Amino acid sequence: DAGVIQSPRHEVTEMGQEVTLRCKPISGHDYLFWYRQTMMRGLELLIYFNNNVPIDDSGMPEDRFSAKMPNASFSTLKIQPSEPRDSAVYFCASSLGGRSDEQYFGPGTRLTVT
Amino acid sequence: AQSVTQPDIHITVSEGASLELRCNYSYGATPYLFWYVQSPGQGLQLLLKYFSGDTLVQGIKGFEAEFKRSQSSFNLRKPSVHWSDAAEYFCAVGGRTNAGKSTFGDGTTLTVKP
Repeated sequence: DAGVIQSPRHEVTEMGQEVTLRCKPISGHDYLFWYRQTMMRGLELLIYFNNNVPIDDSGMPEDRFSAKMPNASFSTLKIQPSEPRDSAVYFCASSLGGRSDEQYFGPGTRLTVT
Repeated sequence: AQSVTQPDIHITVSEGASLELRCNYSYGATPYLFWYVQSPGQGLQLLLKYFSGDTLVQGIKGFEAEFKRSQSSFNLRKPSVHWSDAAEYFCAVGGRTNAGKSTFGDGTTLTVKP
């Protein structure tokens, strides 16, 4: 398997623009997680899905952030409008729930908002 | 609520020396415990995991960890550190009662001196 795939790997945008990050989880995995990592705040769980349904979005910082999972093989994290404080590395991870809870992380998307 | 504490933010060891990274957890039931490693510019990779059974678990890259229920600890060890082990290490706790979600510690950054 190719692992968790994220695109783009790097994104530079101007404040106020819409940003869409994409994730393809490992085939057969039923959990998908979006994380944000910064030096100041470390690794933060933003939202996670089970069988394409959002389970917990309490980590989403504000209404500017939204996430969708239209099918088992694709998820998006959208920021609209983007702000400089959104600059971070965003990771997607997937796991096979139940006994085997280990998460498989994608390479991340480094977002810079100027 | 579940939580993870990694008391050491940064550790420096000499190449060839032994290593122990500390992890303490809080969880209301039998935990699933994980150690992940993150190399610079990479996503997190699972090193090892504990679900049940033998409290000493072996992982990849020569790492091992010991689950001590009485101390609520899951410390990571390696007998001889290599320069390539320089990275950030995350401890995480999960389990059946948390709907597939793991809680991560803040991470410990390991520097290896030549």
